[in-house]
Amino acid sequence: AQSVAQPEDQVNVAEGNPLTVKCTYSVSGNPYLFWYVQYPNRGLQFLLKYITGDNLVKGSYGFEAEFNKSQTSFHLKKPSALVSDSALYFCAVRPTGGSYIPTFGRGTSLIVHP
Amino acid sequence: EAGVAQSPRYKIIEKRQSVAFWCNPISGHATLYWYQQILGQGPKLLIQFQNNGVVDDSQLPKDRFSAERLKGVDSTLKIQPAKLEDSAVYLCASSFPGTDYQETQYFGPGTRLLVL
Repeated sequence: AQSVAQPEDQVNVAEGNPLTVKCTYSVSGNPYLFWYVQYPNRGLQFLLKYITGDNLVKGSYGFEAEFNKSQTSFHLKKPSALVSDSALYFCAVRPTGGSYIPTFGRGTSLIVHP
Repeated sequence: EAGVAQSPRYKIIEKRQSVAFWCNPISGHATLYWYQQILGQGPKLLIQFQNNGVVDDSQLPKDRFSAERLKGVDSTLKIQPAKLEDSAVYLCASSFPGTDYQETQYFGPGTRLLVL
């Protein structure tokens, strides 16, 4: 069965510093990988996705993520954090074959301190 | 463009009562998803539609949950009867179908259900 692990419930970073939100996955075959962000009382918003090709994916609001097949990871990164980046971040995986059911991680709360 | 609409935004019911949620996807999006998000967890897929046909409902508790998308646009999700453990946020998402389901999902604001 496929799964997504986000090992940190919360990540704290100072404004202006680089941030990393970790995600590892388990899936049969090749994955499609996604990052979504959720602000309070709002639905999830798409940030970026890896389908194929370049392992470094650039997305919305200056975020990027690197696909590492050998480590089965897809960590979310940003060179310089903003207070407005504070939110709940979800990693999701979808297999490229079989049932195509998407599986989400439990989320990581990012807190950026002024 | 208008986003995914959901109603109601909040609902409080007593256990064993029935409840229904409504979703209107983005215009032109043939694929529609219903998710359950329990507090502290990630969204869990309940059912996926392609137009008015069910693609996957393997994680839908069919003894009490039902969903339909009769005309391939709007969708309703119903719980009958509700249990305490159904307290959660119910998210609807839609996408324009691509190849191999790699397309981006667009989420509505969700319906927060509390079962007492």
